[in-house]
Amino acid sequence: DAKTTQPPSMDCAEGRAANLPCNHSTISGNEYVYWYRQIHSQGPQYIIHGLKNNETNEMASLIITEDRKSSTLILPHATLRDTAVYYCIVRPLNTGNQFYFGTGTSLTVIP
Amino acid sequence: DVKVTQSSRYLVKRTGEKVFLECVQDMDHENMFWYRQDPGLGLRLIYFSYDVKMKEKGDIPEGYSVSREKKERFSLILESASTNQTSMYLCASSSPPSGGTNEQFFGPGTRLTVL
Repeated sequence: DAKTTQPPSMDCAEGRAANLPCNHSTISGNEYVYWYRQIHSQGPQYIIHGLKNNETNEMASLIITEDRKSSTLILPHATLRDTAVYYCIVRPLNTGNQFYFGTGTSLTVIP
Repeated sequence: DVKVTQSSRYLVKRTGEKVFLECVQDMDHENMFWYRQDPGLGLRLIYFSYDVKMKEKGDIPEGYSVSREKKERFSLILESASTNQTSMYLCASSSPPSGGTNEQFFGPGTRLTVL
């Protein structure tokens, strides 16, 4: 699986958009970009995934650059409950194998 | 909604004890996983299973074993607990690779302390 690089921590004001970057310069053509988050003392929670097109769901938007070497997770209106560690993972869709979670980005939403 | 439950949220055991961590999922998922999470190391895979009675080693299987006698239940066993097995243990399940998003659904975790 391709390695990802994320900033260790970020702050965001409540109500503003939180933009979390991820670099995955060695991503392969068949690898998807997944985002999970982990709120303190809970298990990781799936947020969104994509291949090359931008994706949006009720939780977030995922913007993938045209060369697919980086992506950004956008939480459009951050709330205090979005304070969590966010993990960016790249892996092929058609595999039952594990997700390789790195150390992620610790996002703190400030009132 | 998919639900993955783990038998205990917090557990304290003594060195040398045999420890059982239980995980149950209610969505008929074929795949189940056991991870441990330690500060600065992220999640590391211990064992996983694609089917009943089937198991595969992950990245750090030493000191652990698993059991999958029923599809919905995946047990992690510490044969002789040691202090370096003090950690957060997370169970996950997922649908087969051919369907769905292949996302993994996680349980709440068990924080195990070995004294």
